[in-house]
Amino acid sequence: VQLLESGGSLVQPGGSLRLSCAGSGFTFTNQAVTWVRQVPGKGLEWVSSITGDGATTNYADSVKGRFTISRDTSENKVFLQMSSLRADDTGVYYCANGLWRGSLDYWGQGTLVTVSS
Amino acid sequence: EIGMTQSPATLSLSPGERAILSCRASQSVSYSLAWYKQKPGQAPSLLIYAASTRATGVPARFSGSGSGTEFTLTISSLQSEDFAVYYCQQYHDWPRTFGQGTKVDIK
Repeated sequence: VQLLESGGSLVQPGGSLRLSCAGSGFTFTNQAVTWVRQVPGKGLEWVSSITGDGATTNYADSVKGRFTISRDTSENKVFLQMSSLRADDTGVYYCANGLWRGSLDYWGQGTLVTVSS
Repeated sequence: EIGMTQSPATLSLSPGERAILSCRASQSVSYSLAWYKQKPGQAPSLLIYAASTRATGVPARFSGSGSGTEFTLTISSLQSEDFAVYYCQQYHDWPRTFGQGTKVDIK
C-alpha cells in the first residue's frame, strides 16, 4: 500500500491550492481517504474524509465552506481543494486510507502547505 | 466534539523499561480508538486499532486496552526505535479527534 501526496507550496493568504493523494497497492474504491494536517512541532488535526465511492464527505468546522474533498476513481486519486487560505492553515498535510468507520491504516509522507505573504 | 486527553505529556524512560500511556475521552467512544506512533520527520503509523488489536507488523511488546472513556497503550520493554510521540484518536463520531500526544524520550 502506498499513498503519495503532492501539491503543497507557499501561497498567499486568501489564495487557493489543490492537493493530490495518489493511492496504489489496494482497491481504491473500497477505502475511505482522510486528510490530516500537522503544524510542524505540534499535534495532529483531522481535516476531511471521503468514502470509497465519493458519495459522502465530512469536514472539520475549521475548514468547512473553504475546503472541498473529492476523488477520481479512474486515476486512484483524492483531491483537497483549498480556498480562502489563512495563516493557520499552514502545516504538513497527510492523506491516509482506511474504512469509513475505522482507523487510519496507511499514511503518505505528507506535503507542506505554507500560507504567508 | 469528543475531546481526547493524553497523559503524561512526556515520559522519560530507559531502554528495557515498561511504558504506560493513557488516553481519556470526554464521552464514550466504545472500542473505536486507535494509537499511532510518529518519529521526527516521519508520517504517523498505525499501531493499535479497535482499542486492543495490533496492526499488521506491530511487535507484540505493544498492547492496547480499555473501552468507553479510558484507554491505555503499554510498551512492555522499550527498544531504541520506540522513542517517539504517540497519539490516540477516536473514530466513534465526527469530527474525528486526536489526543495532543505523549512523547516517550530517553532518560
